[in-house]
Amino acid sequence: AQKVTQAQTEISVVEKEDVTLDCVYETRDTTYYLFWYKQPPSGELVFLIRRNSFDEQNEISGRYSWNFQKSTSSFNFTITASQVVDSAVYFCALRAGYSTLTFGKGTMLLVSP
Amino acid sequence: DTGVSQNPRHKITKRGQNVTFRCDPISEHNRLYWYRQTLGQGPEFLTYFQNEAQLEKSRLLSDRFSAERPKGSFSTLEIQRTEQGDSAMYLCASSLRTGEKLFFGSGTQLSVL
Repeated sequence: AQKVTQAQTEISVVEKEDVTLDCVYETRDTTYYLFWYKQPPSGELVFLIRRNSFDEQNEISGRYSWNFQKSTSSFNFTITASQVVDSAVYFCALRAGYSTLTFGKGTMLLVSP
Repeated sequence: DTGVSQNPRHKITKRGQNVTFRCDPISEHNRLYWYRQTLGQGPEFLTYFQNEAQLEKSRLLSDRFSAERPKGSFSTLEIQRTEQGDSAMYLCASSLRTGEKLFFGSGTQLSVL
């Protein structure tokens, strides 16, 4: 079975602060994909990134960066210099083997001016 | 292409009534997914189609729920004899291939009174 744990329920920061959202996953499969999605107040889930289990290279996209560590089964997401528009619920998700996408419970990020 | 489209956006119904939701995936996507999301939780998988074939159903999908995808295009999700516990956001997503990112619609918010 697959499981995704996002231990942080809610994080509040002030604009321009850096913030890291944690994600820990569990799977017995050796081939799997990890995802991050953003859900703004409008409700639509927006894809941010996908990584496969064979590619541990960290990735940076503008103010976003992702740290994938198989040794600790973690796929953490950092926003640098946060902005008010980053306020949303962020979901980490796992797809292993032939299973469907399993989501964590999400972390609500509140960025205040 | 405008993405995944779901109708209606909101549905209010009385307990015991039947409701039907529609999802139009991105046109070239042959994989279609239904998820349910309740407040403060991540999306939970309900069912999955590849073309017109329903390949997987979650145990969350009781016999009051039925989904179809005739001709492998749009899909419908019907809930019979609705219960208050069915109140949730019902999300539809589509993808081109297994393991690829899912594109989500804006969802249908169901309220059962």
